[in-house]
Amino acid sequence: DTGVSQDPRHKITKRGQNVTFRCDPISEHNRLYWYRQTLGQGPEFLTYFQNEAQLEKSRLLSDRFSAERPKGSFSTLEIQRTEQGDSAMYLCASSLFDRNIQYFGAGTRLSVL
Amino acid sequence: AQSVTQLDSQVPVFEEAPVELRCNYSSSVSVYLFWYVQYPNQGLQLLLKYLSGSTLVESINGFEAEFNKSQTSFHLRKPSVHISDTAEYFCAVSELRDYTLSFGAGTTVTVRA
Repeated sequence: DTGVSQDPRHKITKRGQNVTFRCDPISEHNRLYWYRQTLGQGPEFLTYFQNEAQLEKSRLLSDRFSAERPKGSFSTLEIQRTEQGDSAMYLCASSLFDRNIQYFGAGTRLSVL
Repeated sequence: AQSVTQLDSQVPVFEEAPVELRCNYSSSVSVYLFWYVQYPNQGLQLLLKYLSGSTLVESINGFEAEFNKSQTSFHLRKPSVHISDTAEYFCAVSELRDYTLSFGAGTTVTVRA
């Protein structure tokens, strides 16, 4: 068990570009969550999946954001037409359906110039 | 919807002194409660949790937290801190419905020799 893995760890992009992040959850964890953490704040919920189904999306997830988990294993989070306000740490977590304990990855830090 | 308030943003403390980090939450339904710790340049790690049963919960490294339903609090304590406890600590709550976490803004603990 290697834990939750996120790639890349750091991403620097120019405003207006598209970026995609990947999250590999702990194997056999059927729930996968995305959070965003800005400087000086706690993580904020973005969306979560149960297997391949996206069950909830926060109002923070504007139409420029899209997340997928096509085979119920890894997940991707794409941000289109990035803005400076998108600069943040993007965290992924996974859990078992019947266990309310989320395990977090190290995060992807996005810097939009 | 639930919310979490961490009453102290920064707590400096001397080594071997006690520390208390305060956390209050609001929710209209029953919740689960958590403390996560984030060491510099690392992801969030679960420190301890309250799901049900005894209102006093303990971690393996000497931290404890007590769930107080009437005061809607879940304060974290350690009787004697070490330099290695320097980190940011986040209080979080989740509803029984979907397990998504709501975090406080975090408390930075700096332990000095």
